[in-house]
Amino acid sequence: EVKLLESGGGLVQPGGSLRLSCAASGFTFNNYAMNWVRQAPGKGLEWVAVITMTGDGTNYADAVRGRFTISRDNPKNTLYLQMNSLRAEDTAVYYCTREPAGTCDIWGQGTMVTVSS
Amino acid sequence: DIVMTQTPLSSPVTLGQPASISCRSSQSLVHSDGNTYLSWLQQRPGQPPRLLIYKISNRFSGVPDRFSGSGAGTDFTLKISRVEAEDVGVYYCMQATQFPYSFGQGTKLEIK
Repeated sequence: EVKLLESGGGLVQPGGSLRLSCAASGFTFNNYAMNWVRQAPGKGLEWVAVITMTGDGTNYADAVRGRFTISRDNPKNTLYLQMNSLRAEDTAVYYCTREPAGTCDIWGQGTMVTVSS
Repeated sequence: DIVMTQTPLSSPVTLGQPASISCRSSQSLVHSDGNTYLSWLQQRPGQPPRLLIYKISNRFSGVPDRFSGSGAGTDFTLKISRVEAEDVGVYYCMQATQFPYSFGQGTKLEIK
């Protein structure tokens, strides 16, 4: 079964850091680009970042560029999102998604990040 | 940046009747490779999003054939031929032609 499982969410103070992980299974991880998408409580979907199959290329939403870093460990079948200088507006459920060229076909269940003092 | 605009934002539908959602992009979604990377996603209450349609009109694995997508350039439509109770949720269009990827605001489908 193709599966993505996020972890690492939680409560963090403004200005703090958090590292999310996404464990992939059931498919050849290094054959796919991967994305992070977030959803603030009661709001719509917002694209966050993408990383190429090999990890040599990344792109970010303006709202997170310079603060968040997407990375991957292909031998471990794991995607990461390092989040620094967190703000209240980063509060959201964070989903990892698989991208087979131009769409997001598999989504994880998400992990909640709450930024609050 | 490409802005995706969906209409309507809310759609009350009678069971067994058709439903239609429109999505308009602020720029053409035709990629330099000739493909149009417009997808439709469904998010049922309390669930993560689920892919329904990719590249305008291709149904993803396991998606019922009552869902169909159409359109070109900047105007796209998702149609449900006969709405069932399990179709309740929020529907999003998404473009992956140009960075940053972007989503429509979402259309809430509810049963009358």
